[in-house]
Amino acid sequence: DVKVTQSSRYLVKRTGEKVFLECVQDMDHENMFWYRQDPGLGLRLIYFSYDVKMKEKGDIPEGYSVSREKKERFSLILESASTNQTSMYLCASRTDRTGDYIQPQHFGDGTRLSIL
Amino acid sequence: AQSVTQPDIHITVSEGASLELRCNYSYGATPYLFWYVQSPGQGLQLLLKYFSGDTLVQGIKGFEAEFKRSQSSFNLRKPSVHWSDAAEYFCAVGGYQKVTFGTGTKLQVIP
Repeated sequence: DVKVTQSSRYLVKRTGEKVFLECVQDMDHENMFWYRQDPGLGLRLIYFSYDVKMKEKGDIPEGYSVSREKKERFSLILESASTNQTSMYLCASRTDRTGDYIQPQHFGDGTRLSIL
Repeated sequence: AQSVTQPDIHITVSEGASLELRCNYSYGATPYLFWYVQSPGQGLQLLLKYFSGDTLVQGIKGFEAEFKRSQSSFNLRKPSVHWSDAAEYFCAVGGYQKVTFGTGTKLQVIP
């Protein structure tokens, strides 16, 4: 089974801090994703990465950056945390298209981040 | 632009009753459709997916979904709900570059 591991289940940080959320997958997947999940808004895509050192903005990239130096690891960075970034953050990975089909994403358990 | 609508924010059913969760999508081409389930404090788990072929797809945990192109719908069904099915359910549509998720439907199961 695919395992997507997020380094922290719960995290509390202060306004203005630089925050790192880490995600590791063990299946050699090419694609990785960061979402935030808020009640009533579903999942919104922050950034995604097709491959090492490649990244693309999602729907809500403002205030975030990402890093993918190794294939298995995809980091989300809050450059200067603000209270409106308090949320649940979900990481996902997916293999590239195989045959004619697009493969589904596999999710980690999430990091609940509180910014005080 | 692609989009997903889950019109029911919250649904309550009795254990043993049948279930249907609604999903309507907007997508410019043939859609790739997914249903995920999220138990409290956990990530999303794939229930089933539709890419092409038979419009009735079977998934895990006894769930099925039917793709209806004319109605732009992909509703999730289960004939008999178990208490362990209480969770939040997300419909998603997309292609290679991007998958868009609905806002979710919370399912409550009463004994």
